[in-house]
Amino acid sequence: EVQLVESGGGLVQPGESLRLSCEVSGIRFRQFWMHWVRQAPGQGLVWVSGIKNDGSSTTYADSVKGRFTISRDNARSTLYLQMNSLRVEDTAVYYCGLWGGGALDHWGQGALVTVSS
Amino acid sequence: EIVLTQSPRTLSLSPGERATLSCRASQSVDSGYLAWYQQKPGQAPKFLIYAASTRTTGIPDRFSGSGSGTDFTLTISRLEPEDFAVYYCQQYVNSALTFGGGTKVEI
Repeated sequence: EVQLVESGGGLVQPGESLRLSCEVSGIRFRQFWMHWVRQAPGQGLVWVSGIKNDGSSTTYADSVKGRFTISRDNARSTLYLQMNSLRVEDTAVYYCGLWGGGALDHWGQGALVTVSS
Repeated sequence: EIVLTQSPRTLSLSPGERATLSCRASQSVDSGYLAWYQQKPGQAPKFLIYAASTRTTGIPDRFSGSGSGTDFTLTISRLEPEDFAVYYCQQYVNSALTFGGGTKVEI
C-alpha cells in the first residue's frame, strides 16, 4: 500500500520559516515526480511546486517563487518544502502528491500551516 | 497560464440522479493530462480519472469523463450517498499543474 505522510506543519508568525516533510512508502519513490498542493481554509486546491524524480528540475507557482524551495532525498524516500518569509496568505493545508504520469495518483493526509501574528 | 473554470459551482441533486460537471479551459489542453479528483470534508483529494476519460483502479463505472480541447465533462450516472463531495479538474503542462475552482455536489 502506498502511503504519503506529511509532517512539520504548525503556527508561525509572518516572516518566519517552516519546513514540511513528506515520507513516502510502498512505492519506488525515486521513479516519480512529486508535487506540493495547498488549500486555504474553505478554498480550492492550488498547486505550489513540483520536482523531478532525480531532483534535477523544479517548478514553482509565481506566488511562492523565491520564498519556497522544494527538494527530495531519494535515499530516505522523503520530499521537502522549505518555506521562508511566510505570509498570512500562505495559511493552508499543504498536501504532497505523487505524480503517476497522468495525475496525482496518491496524496498525503495534509499538514496545516498557520501564519499569524 | 491555462485557467480552468468549473461549472456550476454547486449542484443540488438527489441520490439516484445524474450529475454533469463541466470544466472549461482558457486554451486547448492536452487530453492526456486532464484529471478529475473528489474531495470530501476533512479529507485529502482522491484521484478518479486521468487522460480525460480513464478511471483509475477501484473507481466505479458510474463515474465517466469525456471531452477534448477546451471542454471536459465529469458525469456521475446515478448518484450514491457517498458521491456527495467537491470535484476538481486539473491539467498539467510544462511540469506545472492547474486546478479548477471545484464543483460541490450536494443533496
